[in-house]
Amino acid sequence: DVKVTQSSRYLVKRTGEKVFLECVQDMDHENMFWYRQDPGLGLRLIYFSYDVKMKEKGDIPEGYSVSREKKERFSLILESASTNQTSMYLCASSPITSGGLKGETQYFGPGTRLLVL
Amino acid sequence: AQSVTQPDIHITVSEGASLELRCNYSYGATPYLFWYVQSPGQGLQLLLKYFSGDTLVQGIKGFEAEFKRSQSSFNLRKPSVHWSDAAEYFCAVGGRANFGNEKLTFGTGTRLTIIP
Repeated sequence: DVKVTQSSRYLVKRTGEKVFLECVQDMDHENMFWYRQDPGLGLRLIYFSYDVKMKEKGDIPEGYSVSREKKERFSLILESASTNQTSMYLCASSPITSGGLKGETQYFGPGTRLLVL
Repeated sequence: AQSVTQPDIHITVSEGASLELRCNYSYGATPYLFWYVQSPGQGLQLLLKYFSGDTLVQGIKGFEAEFKRSQSSFNLRKPSVHWSDAAEYFCAVGGRANFGNEKLTFGTGTRLTIIP
């Protein structure tokens, strides 16, 4: 089975702190994604990566950065945490699409619930 | 730009009753459509997906969904719900990103409550 793990289930941080959220997948997937989930807003894509050291902005990248130094690991960084970044953060991975239009399944981790005080 | 609408924020059904969750999408080409389920405190699990071919798709846990191009819909159904089906359900559409890869656009979710 595909396994996507996230370093913490719950985190409490103070405003202005630098926060690292780590995600690891064990299926050799090329693509990795970071979403945030808020009530009434569903899942919104923050950043994704399709290869080591490659990244693309999603729909809401402001206030976030990412790092992908190894294929299996994708980190989300909050340079200076703010209260409006209190949310559930979900990581996902998927294999590369073959032929460009295969719509591969994304596999999700359990999420990290972040509270910024 | 692609988008997904789930018009029902919250649905309550009795155990054993049938279920239909609505999903409408907007996408310029042939869509790739997904339903995911999220149990409380958990990540998302894939229920089923539609890429092409038969418009009635079978998934896990007895769920099915029907793709209707004319209505831009991909509604999720189950003939008889169980208490363990209480969860939040997300519809998503797959769209082309750079380098042939894809990203998903999710709806806002429908929370399902089951009453005895």
